[in-house]
Amino acid sequence: DQQVKQNSPSLSVQEGRISILNCDYTNSMFDYFLWYKKYPAEGPTFLISISSIKDKNEDGRFTVFLNKSAKHLSLHIVPSQPGDSAVYFCAASKNSGGSNYKLTFGKGTLLTVNP
Amino acid sequence: ETGVTQSPTHLIKTRGQQVTLRCSSQSGHNTVSWYQQALGQGPQFIFQYYREEENGRGNFPPRFSGLQFPNYSSELNVNALELDDSALYLCASSSLQDFYGYTFGSGTRLTVV
Repeated sequence: DQQVKQNSPSLSVQEGRISILNCDYTNSMFDYFLWYKKYPAEGPTFLISISSIKDKNEDGRFTVFLNKSAKHLSLHIVPSQPGDSAVYFCAASKNSGGSNYKLTFGKGTLLTVNP
Repeated sequence: ETGVTQSPTHLIKTRGQQVTLRCSSQSGHNTVSWYQQALGQGPQFIFQYYREEENGRGNFPPRFSGLQFPNYSSELNVNALELDDSALYLCASSSLQDFYGYTFGSGTRLTVV
């Protein structure tokens, strides 16, 4: 049972345009969401996160939007740069009662930004 | 500040054998988590260690076991290897419950033949 779903295995955008990566989740107990970026032969690196008490979090070119009623979040990258080409993972956690030891990941979306 | 170091980077084992993977935590981190990433999948949580004790476990059989040492380094042991154990094994260190500080190593690529 895939509790975190990234339905687009890949996305290709032009440099300078917006990249939108989507993620859906099924477990209503999730209340903290993260995006990780992974280059080949490297481990995932933390990009941005959002708590369920918010609907938007912004960090430079990266913005994450959360729609709790739809159990959907998205990562916007504006403007996209060739160096952003990587696999992006959506992850979720139950951040309650101090038991948030586990991240549940989606399968990832390969973003390619073309010069 | 050193990052998370995993060894070896690649490993080939035969079905039925045992394997030990190693992880050195980032300086200042007291928690280590292990994830398995099969081809085309996202990382799946195996277990986490805090203060040398298991602090949570995912849906993996008992033949997956671990250790955390006083210096916060860790080992992942897998007994009776199966072909489906072929995957990238990722170690992540952090301070407990601090996902911002969740630092992943580059992983160990295990192939079971």
